[in-house]
Amino acid sequence: GNSVTQMEGPVTLSEEAFLTINCTYTATGYPSLFWYVQYPGEGLQLLLKATKADDKGSNKGFEATYRKETTSFHLEKGSVQVSDSAVYFCALSELTQGGSEKLVFGKGTKLTVNP
Amino acid sequence: DSGVTQTPKHLITATGQRVTLRCSPRSGDLSVYWYQQSLDQGLQFLIQYYNGEERAKGNILERFSAQQFPDLHSELNLSSLELGDSALYFCASSVRGRYQETQYFGPGTRLLVL
Repeated sequence: GNSVTQMEGPVTLSEEAFLTINCTYTATGYPSLFWYVQYPGEGLQLLLKATKADDKGSNKGFEATYRKETTSFHLEKGSVQVSDSAVYFCALSELTQGGSEKLVFGKGTKLTVNP
Repeated sequence: DSGVTQTPKHLITATGQRVTLRCSPRSGDLSVYWYQQSLDQGLQFLIQYYNGEERAKGNILERFSAQQFPDLHSELNLSSLELGDSALYFCASSVRGRYQETQYFGPGTRLLVL
C-alpha cells in the first residue's frame, strides 16, 4: 500500500533558523500531498497542499514542492519563529473503492523553536 | 477554526464500557471521515461516510461503528473498550469526499480508558 516516511524528530532550532523537514512517499498513481500541523493541545490544521508534480504549496512562510522524480515533498521555512513549535505531518491522498479517498500520514515530526 | 466541531473534548471511561463521539462537519460538506491518533499506530483512517452512506472503511475494529445522520452530523461508537483504545479521535470533513479533495479536521476527542 501507499506510505509516507518523514524524518525522525524531534527537531530543535533557534529562532530565525532555516527549517527543512524531509518527507518521501510511496504511491501508485498521482496522489495529492499535504502538510498538516498540530499545535500543542489542538487538532490538525492544513498547512499547505500540492495536487500535481512540480506544484508548490505555500502558506505562512512555509513551502513544499511536489517532486515526482524523487517522490518527495519536503517542508521548508526560511526563518522559524517560536510560534512554529508544533508537530508536522506529511500526508498523501489514497484512492479507495468508489472514487473516495483517505489520507495516509507519516509519523509526524516534532519541531521546537527556542528564542 | 476549521468549522468542524467535535464533542466531547475529553472522555474518561473504564474498560468494557461504551462511548459515543460526535462530529459536525463544515457547513456544506457532505463527507465525514474518522481517524484515530495513538502513540504506537500514529494517525490511521477508520471510516468515511458520504451523505449518510458508508463510503470507505479502513482499520476499524469490529467493536467500533459509525453512522451519519440526515443533518450530516456523524457519531463514532466505541464499545467493549480496552486500554489500547485510549487515543485521540479526529473527525474531518470535505465537500464531496472525492479523490484529492482537502479534508478539514476538527479539534479531536481525547479518550482515556482506565
